Amino acid sequence: DTAVSQTPKYLVTQMGNDKSIKCEQNLGHDTMYWYKQDSKKFLKIMFSYNNKELIINETVPNRFSPKSPDKAHLNLHINSLELGDSAVYFCASSQGLALDNEQFFGPGTRLTVL
Amino acid sequence: EDQVTQSPEALRLQEGESSSLNCSYTVSGLRGLFWYRQDPGKGPEFLFTLYSAGEEKEKERLKATLTKKESFLHITAPKPEDSATYLCAVQGFTGGGNKLTFGTGTQLKVEL
Repeated sequence: DTAVSQTPKYLVTQMGNDKSIKCEQNLGHDTMYWYKQDSKKFLKIMFSYNNKELIINETVPNRFSPKSPDKAHLNLHINSLELGDSAVYFCASSQGLALDNEQFFGPGTRLTVL
Repeated sequence: EDQVTQSPEALRLQEGESSSLNCSYTVSGLRGLFWYRQDPGKGPEFLFTLYSAGEEKEKERLKATLTKKESFLHITAPKPEDSATYLCAVQGFTGGGNKLTFGTGTQLKVEL
């Protein structure tokens, strides 16, 4: 049973296109996250939702729009893709916002913008 | 702004050769320091959370320690299956929402 799943695993697209990445967790968690990992392996948080409410919105271009239809899903839509958007995007979830609620990560989506 | 610096960037060990990975941090009030393991092509996997200076936690061949400025991940008698990238992250009181600030990791390779 996959705890945090993402689709697709690989995404290759042209500059200027719009694409979406989907994330689902079956852990019953209340909090979900999106992270971006660049080519130097630096992992940086982008967004966090708790009970479908946006609670972290880092300095991310507004071309990136997260959507949480329910607590188990957090999707990431990206408009007008740019070369610099190429990275691995990880979804994660935690039981809640308490400090000892560890974050469980999905397998990642490797986005390549040509 | 919270910052995390990990060293070395890469480390090659022989099987059984113990060593330590370093994580230096600056944070406006530490809520917690986290260690994760990341295998190639996979998401990070949680290892430890440390909350205050002097705290230590162990798991198999791994032992994490914490001071007011840094954390060490000690690997005792490593095996090839310990090869991975080890990531350190901090959460400060000002971040909120369980925001983690990660370092760039130490890539560990354990050879036979």
